[in-house]
Amino acid sequence: DAMVIQNPRYQVTQFGKPVTLSCSQTLNHNVMYWYQQKSSQAPKLLFHYYDKDFNNEADTPDNFQSRRPNTSFCFLDIRSPGLGDAAMYLCATRGTAPNTDTQYFGPGTRLTVL
Amino acid sequence: AQTVTQSQPEMSVQEAETVTLSCTYDTSESDYYLFWYKQPPSRQMILVIRQEAYKQQNATENRFSVNFQKAAKSFSLKISDSQLGDAAMYFCAYSWGSQGNLIFGKGTKLSVKP
Repeated sequence: DAMVIQNPRYQVTQFGKPVTLSCSQTLNHNVMYWYQQKSSQAPKLLFHYYDKDFNNEADTPDNFQSRRPNTSFCFLDIRSPGLGDAAMYLCATRGTAPNTDTQYFGPGTRLTVL
Repeated sequence: AQTVTQSQPEMSVQEAETVTLSCTYDTSESDYYLFWYKQPPSRQMILVIRQEAYKQQNATENRFSVNFQKAAKSFSLKISDSQLGDAAMYFCAYSWGSQGNLIFGKGTKLSVKP
């Protein structure tokens, strides 16, 4: 089935140790999003790619970076994770007809920072 | 700026009964989209229902329906014949324009009692 896949589902890292989260999609959508979601809160948009064009939210810390090497894959890099970066990270895609306005979410990666 | 407000942090419903979750939003746009997403505990965010603002007819998906009042900027979700599997956090969301970024409400946690 076409879907949004996130790996790993659970990631443990140490304070200050770089970590990369992965998202892939088989939907052939041209837009990919990264969200941070903390417990019992709404997702917070970090940035998104419209094709190869990167769009950063104004309040996203510089500690968060992203790469999109091709249509199918998008990565979230956290250069120096702090305790406050522990959260669920959601990837979402949007793009193809008929519902070009609808975002489809992956299962998320839960990041723990020790 | 666009905002989405969910005034009910928590709701409870008896199995087989009907429950309505409230959502209001603020926008100066005339063409936009509204969504309800469901996020069960530790599980994936999935789309429940979407509404196009230019359509006056309320969207319906099986047991889920919306009451879309454009002038009042209200978009409530009705769940009929509630099932145990409906227990989840429900997010109301808004998007507009080509970027299609979602603005989320804070969510309503729905409990279903057997």
